Amino acid sequence: GAVVSQHPSWVICKSGTSVKIECRSLDFQATTMFWYRQFPKQSLMLMATSNEGSKATYEQGVEKDKFLINHASLTLSTLTVTSAHPEDSSFYICSAPRSGVEEKLFFGSGTQLSVL
Amino acid sequence: SQQGEEDPQALSIQEGENATMNCSYKTSINNLQWYRQNSGRGLVHLILIRSNEREKHSGRLRVTLDTSKKSSSLLITASRAADTASYFCANEVSGYALNFGKGTSLLVTP
Repeated sequence: GAVVSQHPSWVICKSGTSVKIECRSLDFQATTMFWYRQFPKQSLMLMATSNEGSKATYEQGVEKDKFLINHASLTLSTLTVTSAHPEDSSFYICSAPRSGVEEKLFFGSGTQLSVL
Repeated sequence: SQQGEEDPQALSIQEGENATMNCSYKTSINNLQWYRQNSGRGLVHLILIRSNEREKHSGRLRVTLDTSKKSSSLLITASRAADTASYFCANEVSGYALNFGKGTSLLVTP
Protein backbone atom coordinates (compact mmCIF):
# COMPACT_ATOMS: atom_id res chain seq x y z
CA GLY A 1 0.00 0.00 0.00
CA ALA A 2 0.92 3.65 -0.31
CA VAL A 3 3.41 4.90 2.22
CA VAL A 4 3.12 8.54 1.19
CA SER A 5 -0.31 10.07 0.89
CA GLN A 6 -0.94 13.24 -1.08
CA HIS A 7 -4.14 15.24 -1.17
CA PRO A 8 -6.01 16.42 -3.05
CA SER A 9 -5.53 14.38 -6.22
CA TRP A 10 -6.80 17.22 -8.31
CA VAL A 11 -8.01 20.72 -7.75
CA ILE A 12 -9.53 23.40 -9.93
CA CYS A 13 -9.41 26.95 -8.67
CA LYS A 14 -9.96 30.47 -9.84
CA SER A 15 -7.07 32.76 -10.61
CA GLY A 16 -5.96 34.69 -7.55
CA THR A 17 -6.93 32.07 -4.99
CA SER A 18 -4.56 29.97 -2.91
CA VAL A 19 -4.39 26.21 -2.94
CA LYS A 20 -2.92 23.94 -0.27
CA ILE A 21 -1.56 20.49 -1.04
CA GLU A 22 -0.79 18.03 1.73
CA CYS A 23 1.82 15.31 1.80
CA ARG A 24 1.84 12.75 4.60
CA SER A 25 4.17 9.91 5.40
CA LEU A 26 1.86 7.17 6.61
CA ASP A 27 3.87 4.85 8.80
CA PHE A 28 7.24 6.50 9.14
CA GLN A 29 8.65 9.85 10.12
CA ALA A 30 10.15 12.11 7.53
CA THR A 31 12.24 15.05 8.64
CA THR A 32 12.69 15.89 4.99
CA MET A 33 10.24 15.85 2.13
CA PHE A 34 10.63 16.94 -1.47
CA TRP A 35 8.25 18.78 -3.75
CA TYR A 36 8.39 18.31 -7.51
CA ARG A 37 6.55 19.95 -10.35
CA GLN A 38 5.79 18.34 -13.68
CA PHE A 39 4.40 19.98 -16.81
CA PRO A 40 2.62 17.82 -19.40
CA LYS A 41 4.91 15.37 -21.16
CA GLN A 42 7.91 16.69 -19.29
CA SER A 43 10.10 15.46 -16.50
CA LEU A 44 9.89 16.18 -12.81
CA MET A 45 11.63 19.29 -11.61
CA LEU A 46 12.64 19.60 -7.97
CA MET A 47 11.05 22.70 -6.52
CA ALA A 48 12.05 22.63 -2.90
CA THR A 49 13.14 20.57 0.05
CA SER A 50 10.87 20.72 3.06
CA ASN A 51 12.61 20.47 6.42
CA GLU A 52 10.80 19.76 9.67
CA GLY A 53 11.51 22.49 12.18
CA SER A 54 13.29 24.80 9.79
CA LYS A 55 12.80 26.74 6.61
CA ALA A 56 12.39 25.02 3.29
CA THR A 57 15.20 25.09 0.78
CA TYR A 58 14.12 26.27 -2.64
CA GLU A 59 15.70 25.45 -5.96
CA GLN A 60 16.93 28.23 -8.14
CA GLY A 61 14.13 30.01 -9.93
CA VAL A 62 11.38 28.87 -7.56
CA GLU A 63 9.65 31.75 -5.79
CA LYS A 64 9.46 31.03 -2.09
CA ASP A 65 6.72 33.60 -1.56
CA LYS A 66 4.69 31.98 -4.29
CA PHE A 67 5.10 28.42 -3.14
CA LEU A 68 4.86 28.35 0.65
CA ILE A 69 6.09 25.19 2.30
CA ASN A 70 5.36 24.25 5.87
CA HIS A 71 6.69 21.07 7.43
CA ALA A 72 4.26 21.02 10.32
CA SER A 73 5.23 17.70 11.84
CA LEU A 74 7.39 14.69 11.23
CA THR A 75 4.69 13.21 9.00
CA LEU A 76 3.20 16.22 7.25
CA SER A 77 4.42 18.77 4.73
CA THR A 78 2.19 21.23 2.93
CA LEU A 79 2.70 23.21 -0.23
CA THR A 80 0.54 26.29 -0.69
CA VAL A 81 0.37 27.87 -4.10
CA THR A 82 -0.48 31.46 -3.30
CA SER A 83 -2.39 33.76 -5.64
CA ALA A 84 -2.50 31.04 -8.25
CA HIS A 85 -2.41 31.94 -11.92
CA PRO A 86 -3.03 29.80 -15.00
CA GLU A 87 0.72 29.37 -15.51
CA ASP A 88 0.84 27.61 -12.13
CA SER A 89 -1.32 24.84 -13.55
CA SER A 90 0.78 21.73 -13.29
CA PHE A 91 1.17 18.34 -11.66
CA TYR A 92 2.73 18.58 -8.20
CA ILE A 93 4.28 15.52 -6.56
CA CYS A 94 5.77 15.11 -3.12
CA SER A 95 8.19 12.49 -1.93
CA ALA A 96 9.70 11.41 1.34
CA PRO A 97 12.79 9.35 2.10
CA ARG A 98 12.52 6.31 4.28
CA SER A 99 15.67 4.95 5.81
CA GLY A 100 16.34 1.27 5.92
CA VAL A 101 14.97 0.46 2.48
CA GLU A 102 16.95 0.40 -0.72
CA GLU A 103 14.66 2.56 -2.77
CA LYS A 104 14.68 5.15 -0.04
CA LEU A 105 12.34 7.61 -1.73
CA PHE A 106 8.58 7.17 -1.80
CA PHE A 107 6.27 9.34 -3.86
CA GLY A 108 2.76 10.58 -3.36
CA SER A 109 0.21 10.06 -6.10
CA GLY A 110 0.42 13.69 -7.19
CA THR A 111 -1.92 16.65 -7.40
CA GLN A 112 -3.15 18.01 -10.69
CA LEU A 113 -3.73 21.75 -10.28
CA SER A 114 -5.77 23.61 -12.86
CA VAL A 115 -6.08 27.37 -12.45
CA LEU A 116 -8.84 28.98 -14.46
CA SER B 1 18.92 21.20 -13.27
CA GLN B 2 18.16 17.99 -15.09
CA GLN B 3 21.00 15.64 -15.53
CA GLY B 4 19.67 12.48 -17.04
CA GLU B 5 18.83 12.24 -20.68
CA GLU B 6 16.78 9.31 -21.83
CA ASP B 7 16.44 8.04 -25.32
CA PRO B 8 14.35 7.40 -27.14
CA GLN B 9 11.85 10.03 -26.05
CA ALA B 10 9.07 7.80 -27.29
CA LEU B 11 8.95 4.11 -28.08
CA SER B 12 6.12 2.11 -29.60
CA ILE B 13 6.26 -1.69 -29.68
CA GLN B 14 3.93 -4.66 -29.80
CA GLU B 15 3.18 -6.99 -26.94
CA GLY B 16 5.81 -9.65 -26.54
CA GLU B 17 8.62 -7.51 -27.87
CA ASN B 18 11.43 -6.19 -25.73
CA ALA B 19 11.73 -2.49 -24.92
CA THR B 20 15.09 -0.85 -24.31
CA MET B 21 15.50 2.63 -22.90
CA ASN B 22 18.78 4.40 -22.36
CA CYS B 23 19.84 7.06 -19.93
CA SER B 24 22.95 9.21 -19.87
CA TYR B 25 24.11 11.37 -17.01
CA LYS B 26 26.78 13.94 -16.48
CA THR B 27 28.22 13.79 -12.99
CA SER B 28 29.42 11.00 -10.74
CA ILE B 29 26.73 8.97 -9.02
CA ASN B 30 26.28 6.75 -6.00
CA ASN B 31 23.44 4.95 -7.67
CA LEU B 32 20.99 5.24 -10.52
CA GLN B 33 17.31 4.60 -10.17
CA TRP B 34 14.56 3.90 -12.64
CA TYR B 35 10.97 4.92 -12.08
CA ARG B 36 7.72 4.33 -13.87
CA GLN B 37 4.86 6.80 -14.14
CA ASN B 38 1.43 6.02 -15.48
CA SER B 39 -0.32 8.98 -17.06
CA GLY B 40 -1.30 11.56 -14.46
CA ARG B 41 -0.10 9.46 -11.56
CA GLY B 42 2.73 9.35 -9.08
CA LEU B 43 5.99 7.54 -9.53
CA VAL B 44 6.72 3.93 -8.79
CA HIS B 45 10.24 2.85 -8.04
CA LEU B 46 11.36 0.02 -10.33
CA ILE B 47 14.98 -0.68 -9.61
CA LEU B 48 18.14 0.83 -8.12
CA ILE B 49 21.60 0.00 -9.37
CA ARG B 50 24.62 1.05 -7.37
CA SER B 51 27.71 2.57 -8.90
CA ASN B 52 29.73 -0.58 -8.23
CA GLU B 53 27.18 -2.79 -9.98
CA ARG B 54 27.09 -3.42 -13.70
CA GLU B 55 23.85 -5.28 -14.12
CA LYS B 56 20.76 -5.96 -12.07
CA HIS B 57 17.60 -7.95 -12.68
CA SER B 58 14.12 -7.71 -11.26
CA GLY B 59 11.48 -9.88 -12.85
CA ARG B 60 11.19 -8.81 -16.50
CA LEU B 61 13.43 -5.82 -15.89
CA ARG B 62 17.13 -5.72 -16.57
CA VAL B 63 19.21 -2.66 -15.84
CA THR B 64 22.80 -2.10 -16.83
CA LEU B 65 25.18 0.61 -15.73
CA ASP B 66 28.36 1.75 -17.43
CA THR B 67 30.01 4.35 -15.23
CA SER B 68 32.83 4.88 -17.72
CA LYS B 69 30.28 6.01 -20.30
CA LYS B 70 27.98 7.54 -17.71
CA SER B 71 25.07 5.62 -19.11
CA SER B 72 22.44 3.12 -18.06
CA SER B 73 19.85 1.09 -19.87
CA LEU B 74 16.53 -0.40 -18.86
CA LEU B 75 15.31 -3.47 -20.69
CA ILE B 76 11.76 -4.71 -20.33
CA THR B 77 11.41 -8.19 -21.74
CA ALA B 78 8.24 -9.73 -23.15
CA SER B 79 6.39 -6.46 -22.86
CA ARG B 80 2.71 -6.25 -22.05
CA ALA B 81 0.10 -3.60 -22.75
CA ALA B 82 0.15 -2.84 -19.03
CA ASP B 83 3.77 -1.73 -19.36
CA THR B 84 2.56 1.35 -21.23
CA ALA B 85 3.86 4.27 -19.17
CA SER B 86 6.63 6.82 -18.95
CA TYR B 87 9.97 5.67 -17.61
CA PHE B 88 12.48 7.94 -15.92
CA CYS B 89 16.01 7.48 -14.75
CA ALA B 90 17.12 9.48 -11.74
CA ASN B 91 20.21 9.99 -9.67
CA GLU B 92 20.56 11.25 -6.13
CA VAL B 93 21.76 14.74 -5.53
CA SER B 94 22.26 15.88 -1.96
CA GLY B 95 20.24 14.33 0.82
CA TYR B 96 18.03 11.90 -1.08
CA ALA B 97 16.72 14.49 -3.54
CA LEU B 98 16.52 13.03 -7.03
CA ASN B 99 17.41 14.59 -10.35
CA PHE B 100 15.22 13.12 -13.08
CA GLY B 101 15.85 12.60 -16.74
CA LYS B 102 13.38 13.65 -19.41
CA GLY B 103 11.83 10.24 -19.64
CA THR B 104 10.85 7.75 -22.29
CA SER B 105 7.21 7.34 -23.18
CA LEU B 106 6.55 3.67 -23.89
CA LEU B 107 3.47 2.46 -25.75
CA VAL B 108 2.84 -1.27 -25.94
CA THR B 109 0.08 -2.24 -28.30
CA PRO B 110 -1.77 -5.55 -28.10
